[in-house]
Amino acid sequence: NAGVTQTPKFQVLKTGQSMTLQCAQDMNHNSMYWYRQDPGMGLRLIYYSASEGTTDKGEVPNGYNVSRLNKREFSLRLESAAPSQTSVYFCASSGGWTGELFFGEGSRLTVL
Amino acid sequence: GESVGLHLPTLSVQEGDNSIINCAYSNSASDYFIWYKQESGKGPQFIIDIRSNMDKRQGQRVTVLLNKTVKHLSLQIAATQPGDSAVYFCAERWGNTGKLIFGQGTTLQVKP
Repeated sequence: NAGVTQTPKFQVLKTGQSMTLQCAQDMNHNSMYWYRQDPGMGLRLIYYSASEGTTDKGEVPNGYNVSRLNKREFSLRLESAAPSQTSVYFCASSGGWTGELFFGEGSRLTVL
Repeated sequence: GESVGLHLPTLSVQEGDNSIINCAYSNSASDYFIWYKQESGKGPQFIIDIRSNMDKRQGQRVTVLLNKTVKHLSLQIAATQPGDSAVYFCAERWGNTGKLIFGQGTTLQVKP
């Protein structure tokens, strides 16, 4: 059982380039989330999707877009990457009323 | 905006001692709280949760205490082991929106 799978695990971009982080879960969860984690800080919510077809902004949505492609997949897009977006990005999913999130292993993004 | 915060960035304890990690939250509308453990290079893992209508919940070697009067959450780890060394985050859920907001984290170091 793979759980939550993120790709790529590592990526280096130049300022202004675009890219998409992919996330897929195989637990039939309704809700999916994207967080970023910077050194010395906790996880900050970028966007989340309570169910297929819906998305909502989190704490730090600027510079990002998301797509809930279907129930399994939730992608995060950086249209014009900036050095401030250098971070580790985590995708997570949850299946019920509880807040238990299941996290992927993270995607480390560096923007030069 | 309102946020979850932790009192101490680093906690160092002797193996076998009990650990107490604290968390202050400010959103009175939060109805659900969770503690996560994050080991180096990995995504956060669920430890224990508590709903706002409870003040204490126990798990295996862990206890979470909730004091809504002073908006304080704590995680107690009994007989701390080297494997408990990690960063611990508290998180709060904003009402029934599904948004899970994390605090900055406390690093727990266990000395042999």
